[in-house]
Amino acid sequence: GQQVMQIPQYQHVQEGEDFTTYCNSSTTLSNIQWYKQRPGGHPVFLIQLVKSGEVNKQKRLTFQFGEAKKNSSLHITATQTTDVGTYFCALSQARAGGTSYGKLTFGQGTILTVHP
Amino acid sequence: EAGVAQSPRYKIIEKRQSVAFWCNPISGHATLYWYQQILGQGPKLLIQFQNNGVVDDSQLPKDRFSAERLKGVDSTLKIQPAKLEDSAVYLCASNPAGRNEQFFGPGTRLTVL
Repeated sequence: GQQVMQIPQYQHVQEGEDFTTYCNSSTTLSNIQWYKQRPGGHPVFLIQLVKSGEVNKQKRLTFQFGEAKKNSSLHITATQTTDVGTYFCALSQARAGGTSYGKLTFGQGTILTVHP
Repeated sequence: EAGVAQSPRYKIIEKRQSVAFWCNPISGHATLYWYQQILGQGPKLLIQFQNNGVVDDSQLPKDRFSAERLKGVDSTLKIQPAKLEDSAVYLCASNPAGRNEQFFGPGTRLTVL
């Protein structure tokens, strides 16, 4: 099945610095989702990207989907201590015909630590 | 709207014992998933239900794991017998028809000694 490589595995930043995590696949993706998991918590949905070259901004978070739909990134501007957690990209398994039926394959995640 | 409910939140057992986890998805969500999340890794799908039918159980270790969703609402995941490597958080998730985003429950943290 499809797999995704997520880098970096860890990122330590000072509060106020920017942060970026990348998700790469060797195959074309139908869509990609991003989730955040706080320490001790459960994954929480952030966004789904569908269109080639899509860029979506949510306050300090910017999500991009590559033109070839093989990679994606999440960028956080001016990190805050509330941004601490693990950020996962997840592939939605496409069934024949290209429509998704919901099965998610998660990347290994990027653990973000923000030092005040 | 109430979220996905799971119980228990924590469970400690010895290897070779049995354990069961319960999940109640968000009301009206037809699709229910069980994931296993080992420390330091992303969640891995164990089984997916659509109402009371299994859609995908290709990654479920069927020699020891079983799951059911008899009435198409709540679900139970069982491990019998447990092994040390089953220590993980077991997450239940659901999503409504026509939407891909998944809503996760708080998880059950299983420790096998």
